Amino acid sequence: GAGVSQSPSNKVTEKGKDVELRCDPISGHTALYWYRQSLGQGLEFLIYFQGNSAPDKSGLPSDRFSAERTGGSVSTLTIQRTQQEDSAVYLCASSLGTDNSPLHFGNGTRLTVT
Amino acid sequence: DQQVKQNSPSLSVQEGRISILNCDYTNSMFDYFLWYKKYPAEGPTFLISISSIKDKNEDGRFTVFLNKSAKHLSLHIVPSQPGDSAVYFCAASRGGSYIPTFGRGTSLIVHP
Repeated sequence: GAGVSQSPSNKVTEKGKDVELRCDPISGHTALYWYRQSLGQGLEFLIYFQGNSAPDKSGLPSDRFSAERTGGSVSTLTIQRTQQEDSAVYLCASSLGTDNSPLHFGNGTRLTVT
Repeated sequence: DQQVKQNSPSLSVQEGRISILNCDYTNSMFDYFLWYKKYPAEGPTFLISISSIKDKNEDGRFTVFLNKSAKHLSLHIVPSQPGDSAVYFCAASRGGSYIPTFGRGTSLIVHP
C-alpha cells in the first residue's frame, strides 16, 4: 500500500516568511510524528499526535512552530516567521499507535531559509 | 543532553566482512530499542528491534545485541553488502511512551 507522503519535497523560503509542510500518513495509522534533521544532527522530535490530539508537543522549538491534524489523517506543520536556523529536513512518520509499533517515515521536506 | 549516543559518525567495511554498529544509552527507563536504515533523500526505514527482556534478536543477516548492564547495543551485519551502505540510526523508547529517541546516526560504507 501507499507509504507516508510529504509535500513539498523541497521548499526554499525567505527569512521571515511562513511555511506549511504537509504529511499524509499511512491509512489506518492512528499515531503521527514530526521530527527534523538538521545538518550533521540526529532526528530531533518535534510533536506526536494520537488521532487528532497532540499529547506531546514538547519538542517544538519555539512558539513559531505549530502543527495540527484533522480527521485523524493529514497533518500540517506550520513555521511562522522562518529563521535560518529552521533550515533542516522535516520528517513525518506514522505508526499503528500500539506500544513499540515501528514508525514509517516519509521522504521528508527539505526546508531552506535564505 | 543526548540520551542515545552513536559515537562513530562513520564506518567503512569491505564487502563480505562483518559490520558492527554501536549505540549507547543513558536512560535506564528505556526498554525497547530499534535500528533504522536511511538512504540519501529517503526517510528512515525500520530494520530490526529488541526488547529489554532479550539480549539478542536475529533477522537474516542482521543481529542486534543488547547489554543492559552496560546500557549498550550493537547491530551486526554479516556478510556486509554494498547495498547496506546507508546511515543507521539507533532509537530507544520506554514503556508507555510511543515516542522513540534517536541517535545521530552512523554512516556505513561497504566497499566492493
